[in-house]
This record gives sequence, structure tokens and C-alpha cells, in this order.
Amino acid sequence: DAGVTQSPTHLIKTRGQQVTLRCSPKSGHDTVSWYQQALGQGPQFIFQYYEEEERQRGNFPDRFSGHQFPNYSSELNVNALLLGDSALYLCASQGPSQLPIGNEQFFGPGTRLTVL
Amino acid sequence: DAKTTQPPSMDCAEGRAANLPCNHSTISGNEYVYWYRQIHSQGPQYIIHGLKNNETNEMASLIITEDRKSSTLILPHATLRDTAVYYCIVRVHTGGFKTIFGAGTRLFVKA
Repeated sequence: DAGVTQSPTHLIKTRGQQVTLRCSPKSGHDTVSWYQQALGQGPQFIFQYYEEEERQRGNFPDRFSGHQFPNYSSELNVNALLLGDSALYLCASQGPSQLPIGNEQFFGPGTRLTVL
Repeated sequence: DAKTTQPPSMDCAEGRAANLPCNHSTISGNEYVYWYRQIHSQGPQYIIHGLKNNETNEMASLIITEDRKSSTLILPHATLRDTAVYYCIVRVHTGGFKTIFGAGTRLFVKA
């Protein structure tokens, strides 16, 4: 089991550009959450996708959007990039509640986004 | 805002037990206590969780006070590889929960 995978590992963009980050959940998991982690801080919840719909959202502007595909993989899109969007973006997946440990979130290694 | 408070940093000697405290005085009856850790530049790693009973697994032990307002994560024999930021989180166990991270405790294990 490859666990949660994310691509790319690193990315450099300039202000005003758009970026798409990708996440493949752990096998058997159907829920994907995205987090933003600025340097020296804890991860901040962006949103969560389940059954291809956004189920919950944190305090992030509409420039942050996402998508979940039928195979449960997910994308995070950020438009009109700002310098402050530079961060580690983490994807986490979890399985159905009926699994023995279905409610544990497993995190991917993250994508390091630098906005210049 | 995070519903937990943790000391910003702690030191521990290699081979000794590391005891990481967490206060969660506003925890609700249906919320569990979860612990994660994050080693530098990696994604957070699940350690353990519990509701009201003490829990133990191959990584750590979790001690929750009877009133559930605080807990302690115990790493019984800390190694240098346990140096990381440890996050204590409270959240519901089912459904569309979102994990709210605080600043965590930076644990330094020293030789």
C-alpha cells in the first residue's frame, strides 16, 4: 500500500498565477482533506471532499477550490497566487467509519509551494 | 481556533520516557483525543487516540484524566528519531470531521 501520495513534491510559481496540486488517497479511503501549513505553524484545514462534493470548508477564500474524482483522488486549485500562499500543502485521507481504524486520517508528504 | 493547549517545547533524554501534556478543558462528550506527530518537512503521522480510557499501542500510551479535561502522551523510551512536533487534537470520531491543529509541542530528544 503506497499510502497517501501527492504531486508534485515542490513547485515554484509567481504572483497571480494559478496552481493545481494532486492527491491520491490511501487504498480503501473515500474522504480527502486538504491543509495548508505555513512555516513554523500547525496545519490549517482548507476543505474536505467526500462523494465528489465539498463537505466542509475552513476559513479560506474562494481562490482555493477543489475537486474529487470518482476514484477518490483529489485536486486543490489556487487562483491568483499571493506571496502568502507559500506553504506546505498537505492532503489527508480517511476511510469509511465502519473500518476498524476508518476514522484515522493518514497524511501525505505534502507539496511545497513557493510563490515569488 | 484549536481546542487544546500544549507547551511550546520540551526536552527529553534518549532512553527516558517523554511525557507530553495537553489541556482540553472544553472537550465535548462525543469528542476523542487524538495525537499526531510531524517530523521535519514530513506529513503528520497518527500516533494514538482515545475517548476516556487509557490507551496503549506499539508507539505510545495515552492517559486521559477522569474529567477528560487533560491528557498525557507517553513515549516510554524516547529515541533521537522521536524528535518532532507533537499535536494534541480533539474532534468527533465519525462523519465529516475536520482536524484543527494548534501549534503543538516541539520535543527535542537529546543523546
